[in-house]
Amino acid sequence: DAKTTQPPSMDCAEGRAANLPCNHSTISGNEYVYWYRQIHSQGPQYIIHGLKNNETNEMASLIITEDRKSSTLILPHATLRDTAVYYCIVRADNAGNMLTFGGGTRLMVKP
Amino acid sequence: GAVVSQHPSWVICKSGTSVKIECRSLDFQATTMFWYRQFPKQSLMLMATSNEGSKATYEQGVEKDKFLINHASLTLSTLTVTSAHPEDSSFYICSARDPRSLGGNQPQHFGDGTRLSIL
Repeated sequence: DAKTTQPPSMDCAEGRAANLPCNHSTISGNEYVYWYRQIHSQGPQYIIHGLKNNETNEMASLIITEDRKSSTLILPHATLRDTAVYYCIVRADNAGNMLTFGGGTRLMVKP
Repeated sequence: GAVVSQHPSWVICKSGTSVKIECRSLDFQATTMFWYRQFPKQSLMLMATSNEGSKATYEQGVEKDKFLINHASLTLSTLTVTSAHPEDSSFYICSARDPRSLGGNQPQHFGDGTRLSIL
């Protein structure tokens, strides 16, 4: 699986949009971009994933650049409960089901 | 939606004892489950892949005789930490993917983890 690079930490004001970047410059054509988050002392929670097109669900939006070398997870209106570590993972659809976690971004939403 | 459940959520035990952690898929059958370990302020590290009806596959550096994995049914995998010592204290998390999901790109579902403290 391709390596990802994320900033170790970010702050965001409550109610504002949180934009979390991820670089995956070595991504292959068959690798998807997944985002998970881990709230303190809990298991990771799936947020969203995509291949080429931008994706949106009830939790977040995923913007993938045209060259697919980077992506941004957008939480449109961050709340205090969005404080967590956010992991960007790239994985091929034929790579088995395991996930390789990097360091992630620790997002702190502040009142 | 699909849910993965772990039990217990936390356990404290004496050094030298063995501890069993259960991971259940609640509304789907999982032929494969994954066990991760997470030390404080670190990321999740894959320990092993649990395969129903066959031996688990361990990652490099993980002792298979210390971390016994049994996947006896399609909804249950267990991780037993044998002769646990303080350095085994960690957060253990399991995951599985609903095989009914079409395609290999569907997300993993994670349990809420088990916090193990060895005194």
